[in-house]
Amino acid sequence: EAQVTQNPRYLITVTGKKLTVTCSQNMNHEYMSWYRQDPGLGLRQIYYSMNVEVTDKGDVPEGYKVSRKEKRNFPLILESPSPNQTSLYFCASSLPGLHEQFFGPGTRLTVL
Amino acid sequence: AQSVTQPDIHITVSEGASLELRCNYSYGATPYLFWYVQSPGQGLQLLLKYFSGDTLVQGIKGFEAEFKRSQSSFNLRKPSVHWSDAAEYFCAVGSGNTGKLIFGQGTTLQVKP
Repeated sequence: EAQVTQNPRYLITVTGKKLTVTCSQNMNHEYMSWYRQDPGLGLRQIYYSMNVEVTDKGDVPEGYKVSRKEKRNFPLILESPSPNQTSLYFCASSLPGLHEQFFGPGTRLTVL
Repeated sequence: AQSVTQPDIHITVSEGASLELRCNYSYGATPYLFWYVQSPGQGLQLLLKYFSGDTLVQGIKGFEAEFKRSQSSFNLRKPSVHWSDAAEYFCAVGSGNTGKLIFGQGTTLQVKP
């Protein structure tokens, strides 16, 4: 089954404790992206990757890091999480350009 | 700057009634437009998309949307709503050639029995 998976689905952590949210897709998509969803703001792009070893900032990259060492994986790293990063995070993938983006199930992160 | 506006934050309709969710966009070139639905606790599922051609596009679950360039709108419609349609709906525009999507704020649909 074609899908984007994220782990963990739920995470509660404390300020400053490094964490990684994994994202993996099995559709051989070149393009992958991370979004955060906040009430009243819709989804905003954090980082994206056009291909392996090619990443770039989205609209709200502060406090986040990403890497793309393999085509299928695109982890999101929070080196020192803060409460304002409490949010619902989505990973997405697609073919190059403006094709349909397939979304993962989301990761709900709470930073205390 | 590119943007998407969904004027209605929350809409309530009765089951069996028709539905129209509004979406207005601001984009300099020909837009690539999408509607996604997010059921409670779920990820986003694509309902339909417009790239070019016929301005009335059909999607899954009985939804359709009409692209109106003169009004910069891409409203989503369904002739008869089912209780299972209760969800949050997002309109999005594709930006540039990076694959980025710019989302509206979302519209929450509640369906009354």
